[in-house]
Amino acid sequence: QEQLVQSGAGVKKPGASVKVSCKGSGFKLTDYYIHWVRQAPGQGLQWMGWINPTTGDTNFAPNFQGRVTMTRDTSINTVYLELSRLRPDDTANYYCARGGSGQTNFWGQGALVTVSS
Amino acid sequence: DIQMTQSPSSLSASIGDRVTITCRASQGVSEYLAWFQQKPGRAPKSLIFAASSLQSGVPSRFSGSGSGTDFTLTISGLQPEDFATYYCQQYKNYPYIFGGGTTVEV
Repeated sequence: QEQLVQSGAGVKKPGASVKVSCKGSGFKLTDYYIHWVRQAPGQGLQWMGWINPTTGDTNFAPNFQGRVTMTRDTSINTVYLELSRLRPDDTANYYCARGGSGQTNFWGQGALVTVSS
Repeated sequence: DIQMTQSPSSLSASIGDRVTITCRASQGVSEYLAWFQQKPGRAPKSLIFAASSLQSGVPSRFSGSGSGTDFTLTISGLQPEDFATYYCQQYKNYPYIFGGGTTVEV
């Protein structure tokens, strides 16, 4: 059964960093691109960027340039999203989704990150 | 950035109804348009890609159409499990922008 299993949810203080992981199960992440999308409570969806797990190439939305890092560890079929200098408005569910460089076809369950002092 | 505008923002419907949701792009995106369904407390689910192609496993009552700037998601024969929020997303140009969502309610 193919799954994307996320972890890294929790409460962070403003100014801190958070690292969310996304582990592929039942398939190789290197066969796809992995996108990151976030959703603030009660709000819509916001695309953050993608990583090509094969090459490590990334593409970020301008809103997150300079604060976001996407990395991968192919030995454990996992990609990571790290967001730094957290603000309260970074409070959101962070989703990973697999697909091509454009469309996505399968999403993880999400990881809720709360930024609060 | 390309802006994506969905209408309506919410609608009331009944089981068996034909439901139509529209999505308009601020500039042409060809057919690089996807639709997603999201239920409360759940991750989004991919429904349609390339404007009109159904993802594997998606019921045939869902259909998508359009190209350029105007797109439509149609649910033919609304089922109880279809009450949800629907989002469009363009993936022609970076950043990939989602529409604001349309909630389908009883």
